[in-house]
Parts: sequence; structure tokens; C-alpha cells
Amino acid sequence: DGGITQSPKYLFRKEGQNVTLSCEQNLNHDAMYWYRQDPGQGLRLIYYSQIVNDFQKGDIAEGYSVSREKKESFPLTVTSAQKNPTAFYLCASSRGREKLFFGSGTQLSVL
Amino acid sequence: GENVEQHPSTLSVQEGDSAVIKCTYSDSASNYFPWYKQELGKGPQLIIDIRSNVGEKKDQRIAVTLNKTAKHFSLHITETQPEDSAVYFCAASPPGGTGFQKLVFGTGTRLLVSP
Repeated sequence: DGGITQSPKYLFRKEGQNVTLSCEQNLNHDAMYWYRQDPGQGLRLIYYSQIVNDFQKGDIAEGYSVSREKKESFPLTVTSAQKNPTAFYLCASSRGREKLFFGSGTQLSVL
Repeated sequence: GENVEQHPSTLSVQEGDSAVIKCTYSDSASNYFPWYKQELGKGPQLIIDIRSNVGEKKDQRIAVTLNKTAKHFSLHITETQPEDSAVYFCAASPPGGTGFQKLVFGTGTRLLVSP
């Protein structure tokens, strides 16, 4: 059953702590994306990757980092430099410009 | 860059009525317009999309229309059911790049269908 798996579903961060959100896809898609969703706002692009070992900053990359060591995996690290990390984080993937599919999301909150 | 505006922000209808959500975009070069449905606590699910070489597309109770001249597109849901209650997002993507890095989302419409 193909899809995008995000974990954990809920995550809590202490001040000064880095946390990593997992995203795995078995759709054989080359491109993967991370979006941030805040209440009442549209989705905003944090980072994207079109191929393994390559990624580009999106509109709101400050305070975040990513890696793309495998085609299936695109983890997102929320660093301590991100001062307002509370949000719903969504991972997505696509085969070129066919269609964009999303995972089920991770809700990050600050303790 | 592209800017997408979506209206209304909330929409309440009675079961069986039709619902219409409208979006406008600013970049006349945009050529791909998807619509997503998001249920509480879940990721957005693609429900229908349209490319700029067609004016209308239907899938059962859902349809999308595109007016390139006016730069707006709309989602139409007929015979609404309580399970249609969710937040709906429109998006527009200018050409360029090999993926969706330029895709811009609207701010969402919360649809409530009352029995």
C-alpha cells in the first residue's frame, strides 16, 4: 500500500532543543517537500528536494534543516534557532509535476 | 510571485445543497490548479485538479471551473453530505521547475454541512 508516512504524530520541544520529524515515502517519487501549516493560513514551503543529496530552501527555511540521503526519506530538523516552532508540519512528494501527495502530518508544540 | 486568494473562509450549508468555493490568482502564467480536502488532524487529500488547457473538470459530485481571462477558478460540490465537512484548499502553480516548488496555496475554506 503506497503512501507517505510521517512520524511522530505529536512532538513536544523544549526550549533550546533540536527535534527531527521523519518522512518516508514508498511511491518512488523523486521530489519531496516540507510545508508548515499555521491556523488560518495556507501551507508554506520550508524545503524541497528534487533528487537524492540535493535540496533547496523554500519560503520559510530559517531555523530548519533537512537531509536527503535516500530517495525514500526526507527528515526535517527544527532547530533551536526557530523561535516559533509550534505548527502542523506536512511532508509531501511528487513525480515531477504530475500530482502532489501529502502525509498525515506532525503536530509540533513547545513545552 | 504568485498570490492566491480564497473565499469564503467559512461556508455553512444544509445537507443536499450545493457549495461553491472561489479562488483568484495573480500570475497569468499559472497552469496547474489543484484542490485539497483536509480533515481535522490529517494531511490534505487531493480531490480534483485542472490544468490551464481545459475550462472544466468533473468527478462525480465535484467539479472545478477555470476562467483564465479573469484569473479565477472555483470548486463546486453538489448534493453535499455531512462527510464533506472539512477544510478545502485551492492552489496555483506557475510553470518552471521540475516539481511543485512554486505551488502557492490559498488560506482555506472551512465547509460545514449540517444534516
